[in-house]
Amino acid sequence: AQSVTQLGSHVSVSEGALVLLRCNYSSSVPPYLFWYVQYPNQGLQLLLKYTTGATLVKGINGFEAEFKKSETSFHLTKPSAHMSDAAEYFCAVTPNTDKLIFGTGTRLQVFP
Amino acid sequence: DTAVSQTPKYLVTQMGNDKSIKCEQNLGHDTMYWYKQDSKKFLKIMFSYNNKELIINETVPNRFSPKSPDKAHLNLHINSLELGDSAVYFCASSQVRGGTDTQYFGPGTRLTVL
Repeated sequence: AQSVTQLGSHVSVSEGALVLLRCNYSSSVPPYLFWYVQYPNQGLQLLLKYTTGATLVKGINGFEAEFKKSETSFHLTKPSAHMSDAAEYFCAVTPNTDKLIFGTGTRLQVFP
Repeated sequence: DTAVSQTPKYLVTQMGNDKSIKCEQNLGHDTMYWYKQDSKKFLKIMFSYNNKELIINETVPNRFSPKSPDKAHLNLHINSLELGDSAVYFCASSQVRGGTDTQYFGPGTRLTVL
């Protein structure tokens, strides 16, 4: 069965600091991997996705993630946090099926 | 020009009532979804329709009945509401079915069952 684990339900950083949100997956087939962001009282928005090809994926708002098959990881990073990055972040996997399997989310807080 | 819209945004009702949530997408997508987000923010798919055909039904109680009158609409009807149904329900759509396609989410409907 496919699953997604997000380590750390809460992450706090200072404005300007590196953001690192962790995601590990399990999949019996090559997965497609996604990061979605949910701002307060809003729906989810795609940040980036990995399907095939280059393992370093760049997304919107300066975020990027690297697919590491050997580590079954797809961690999300951003070099310098902004206050506007405060949100809930969800990693998701879809193992060639129609449905997304989401992780439990990581709430990012950014302090001035 | 909202891409995926849901109505209502908030829904407060008593146990045992029947209620509906409506979803519309103007993206021309073929596939639509319903997700449930619980109080701990955990998101789980409930249903998916492709060209008005049900393709995913995730062990949801049969009190929940989706209906897709056309490709642009996917409504969710809930009978005999229970306290545990309180959650935020998200509608989403994607251009085609299949795991690689980006899903576009609506703003959510917060359902509170008293």
